[in-house]
Amino acid sequence: GQQLNQSPQSMFIQEGEDVSMNCTSSSIFNTWLWYKQDPGEGPVLLIALYKAGELTSNGRLTAQFGITRKDSFLNISASIPSDVGIYFCAGLSQGGSEKLVFGKGTKLTVNP
Amino acid sequence: EPEVTQTPSHQVTQMGQEVILRCVPISNHLYFYWYRQILGQKVEFLVSFYNNEISEKSEIFDDQFSVERPDGSNFTLKIRSTKLEDSAMYFCASFYAGELFFGEGSRLTVL
Repeated sequence: GQQLNQSPQSMFIQEGEDVSMNCTSSSIFNTWLWYKQDPGEGPVLLIALYKAGELTSNGRLTAQFGITRKDSFLNISASIPSDVGIYFCAGLSQGGSEKLVFGKGTKLTVNP
Repeated sequence: EPEVTQTPSHQVTQMGQEVILRCVPISNHLYFYWYRQILGQKVEFLVSFYNNEISEKSEIFDDQFSVERPDGSNFTLKIRSTKLEDSAMYFCASFYAGELFFGEGSRLTVL
């Protein structure tokens, strides 16, 4: 089945630092989504990308949809303690199904 | 803002018991989903539901699982005979205009 390789698995950074994480796949997706999950809660959508090459920002977050449609990255600038959580990439396949395939997540720890 | 609501938030059950997890999707959404997340692992697709029938299911969604939309608002996931490995967070989601809206999840603990 389709799989997303998300890296890194975890990150420990100081407040104020920038963060970058990415997802790659051998499959093509027509939509890439980035979610954040806080402990005990459901994933919350951060950024949605719909076109190859698209670069989208949401506050301190920036994400890009790779030109090959097989990868995406998420950057967080000037991290703050509330950025702590698990970040998941997810891809929506071209088959017409709205099934999302999730990466394994990047656990972010921000030290004040 | 409309949201997907799930009940119960936490259920503890004995192995072999039947469990029903309930979801109320956002009212004008047409596609509904169940996802599962075993502790510390990624979110996994279980099943999608459209027009009162299953549109797609994963290999995880075997005969012990079933879904229903009994009354036009609730969307339920039934696990007939729970196993220890069914312990997980179960997330309901509904889909509209390219965005999947997740509920906060139901934590199932099988003892």
